[in-house]
Amino acid sequence: QKEVEQDPGPLSVPEGAIVSLNCTYSNSAFQYFMWYRQYSRKGPELLMYTYSSGNKEDGRFTAQVDKSSKYISLFIRDSQPSDSATYLCAMILNTNAGKSTFGDGTTLTVKP
Amino acid sequence: DTGVSQNPRHKITKRGQNVTFRCDPISEHNRLYWYRQTLGQGPEFLTYFQNEAQLEKSRLLSDRFSAERPKGSFSTLEIQRTEQGDSAMYLCASSFMRGGNLVTEAFFGQGTRLTVV
Repeated sequence: QKEVEQDPGPLSVPEGAIVSLNCTYSNSAFQYFMWYRQYSRKGPELLMYTYSSGNKEDGRFTAQVDKSSKYISLFIRDSQPSDSATYLCAMILNTNAGKSTFGDGTTLTVKP
Repeated sequence: DTGVSQNPRHKITKRGQNVTFRCDPISEHNRLYWYRQTLGQGPEFLTYFQNEAQLEKSRLLSDRFSAERPKGSFSTLEIQRTEQGDSAMYLCASSFMRGGNLVTEAFFGQGTRLTVV
């Protein structure tokens, strides 16, 4: 079983919808949680970066972390066709840790 | 600074050949990471450097793989005797660490797509 599980989708929504993307993880030692967006044949681009439990908002994006449930979410409000991409969650143990552990990504399509 | 730069963007090689990829991180970043990503999967950690020191290697990094960062700036990843299973996107990322604390998050390059035929 993978340390980080992510529903691969694909997820298709109409423009303007609220999108919910989720990951679960098994290692309770993870402290930092990231969401990346990856367009086809491109490198991942960092969207959000949160520490421990709680919410963080940045424009149309909100990241939630529930450490007690080992569950993280990314919400996208007023989704746009340009949001169509693969969304990857990633986690690290602490800021001194070298590696991020990634989920396999959820593919999102926002239809105009 | 235009971000993390990787070269070449694409590489097609015959099985058994050696290949080398280059990564130029963001200039002030002292940490450099290599990941491998196959279709439908998330990036998998291979190795990382703090300045010129290689601090961790994944068990995925077999003895055919070697990475260097000789002067703490650019890095190279070499794969010897390539196999078809090495076909993947090889991603480089960089970040800045100070006093054990991550000052900036990891920024990824566009990757080198390797096809072994």
